[in-house]
Amino acid sequence: GNSVTQMEGPVTLSEEAFLTINCTYTATGYPSLFWYVQYPGEGLQLLLKATKADDKGSNKGFEATYRKETTSFHLEKGSVQVSDSAVYFCALTANTGNQFYFGTGTSLTVIP
Amino acid sequence: DAGVIQSPRHEVTEMGQEVTLRCKPISGHNSLFWYRQTMMRGLELLIYFNNNVPIDDSGMPEDRFSAKMPNASFSTLKIQPSEPRDSAVYFCASNLGGGQGYTFGSGTRLTVV
Repeated sequence: GNSVTQMEGPVTLSEEAFLTINCTYTATGYPSLFWYVQYPGEGLQLLLKATKADDKGSNKGFEATYRKETTSFHLEKGSVQVSDSAVYFCALTANTGNQFYFGTGTSLTVIP
Repeated sequence: DAGVIQSPRHEVTEMGQEVTLRCKPISGHNSLFWYRQTMMRGLELLIYFNNNVPIDDSGMPEDRFSAKMPNASFSTLKIQPSEPRDSAVYFCASNLGGGQGYTFGSGTRLTVV
């Protein structure tokens, strides 16, 4: 079946620290992989995506590389800001359908 | 495009009352999804539609929940009768299909007292 596992939170970092949020997946076929971000009181917003192995998605300083050999899509940012405080969701959609499978979300708090 | 539009943004109702949540997807998107988000259970898919047809409603928790999509530009999620444990944020999302990302609405925060 299809599923996503992401690291438990909450994560608290100081401003300018390096961020990694781990995400691994199980999927039938060749999924597309996504990271979504949810700021307080808002809906989820697409942060970045990758549609095939070895693709790197990037946006707003965040990056994630689709690693088929390790079935992973870890989110990274070199220097976090207070404004990055949010909940981050890893997700996949399998090429056999249109349904998304979301991880449980990882809460990030960045302190000045 | 104004994005996915949900109404109301907040709803407070008494137990036993009927609640109707509304969603207008992005024009041209042919898939629509209803999600529920709570602290305890996280993000749960309730139901999704392709081309206005319900495809998977296995996430609908009980018969008290129902969803319709009478046309490509409108969907409703109804709870009748509502219970306190239905309190959550309900999100609607739409996409073009084919593995494209979702666009989420801002959600409806439902409180049942």
